[in-house]
Amino acid sequence: EVQLSDSGGGLVQPGGSLRLSCAASGLTFSSYAMSWVRQAPGKGLEWVSVISISGSGTYYADSVKGRFTISRDNSKNTLYLQMNNLRAEDTGVYYCAKGLNYYSFDYWGQGTLVTVYS
Amino acid sequence: QSALTQPPSASGSPGQSVTISCTGTSSDVGGSNYVSWYQQYPGKAPKLMIYEVRKRPSGVPDRFSGSKSGNTASLTVSGLQAEDEADYYCSSYAGSNQEVMFGGGTKVTVL
Repeated sequence: EVQLSDSGGGLVQPGGSLRLSCAASGLTFSSYAMSWVRQAPGKGLEWVSVISISGSGTYYADSVKGRFTISRDNSKNTLYLQMNNLRAEDTGVYYCAKGLNYYSFDYWGQGTLVTVYS
Repeated sequence: QSALTQPPSASGSPGQSVTISCTGTSSDVGGSNYVSWYQQYPGKAPKLMIYEVRKRPSGVPDRFSGSKSGNTASLTVSGLQAEDEADYYCSSYAGSNQEVMFGGGTKVTVL
């Protein structure tokens, strides 16, 4: 059974940093593109970033470009999202998601809450 | 880029059908076969219901079907059941930077 476990969320002040992790099991992690998708409180889904199978290709939403970095460690079956210079509008639940391809997500983590407050 | 356009709500009685639209542009929905639909219950992670416009993942009931015409994709839920009451989101490849665009979501109510 495929399982994705998100962690690393928390409270942080504007300008601060957080590193999210997503531990994967039940799949050949190194065979799939992986993504982060977020959801602000009471709002819809927003794609954040995707990383290729090898990690050599990374892509970001304009809203986070230059501030967030996606990475993966295939030896540890783990996906990461380093978030720097956080803003209030980055507040929300962050989900890691396994790519059926680059553009559809067939398995999701349970989500981890990031709250940026001042 | 703006989110794809979905109606905020839709409803139907048990056994009836409900169709949700998802309108974009020729740069995303209209120009892509990578249209997906997700179901989300409150406080839960989304679940993939349809991918590549009309394909169903294993385990998704065939009551759920997808289609596309021009710049508008649609999700139809036939034979509505109480358990179908949830939020539904469409998404599409957005044509650049491997970006995925989501719709604003539609709350489906089973009357």
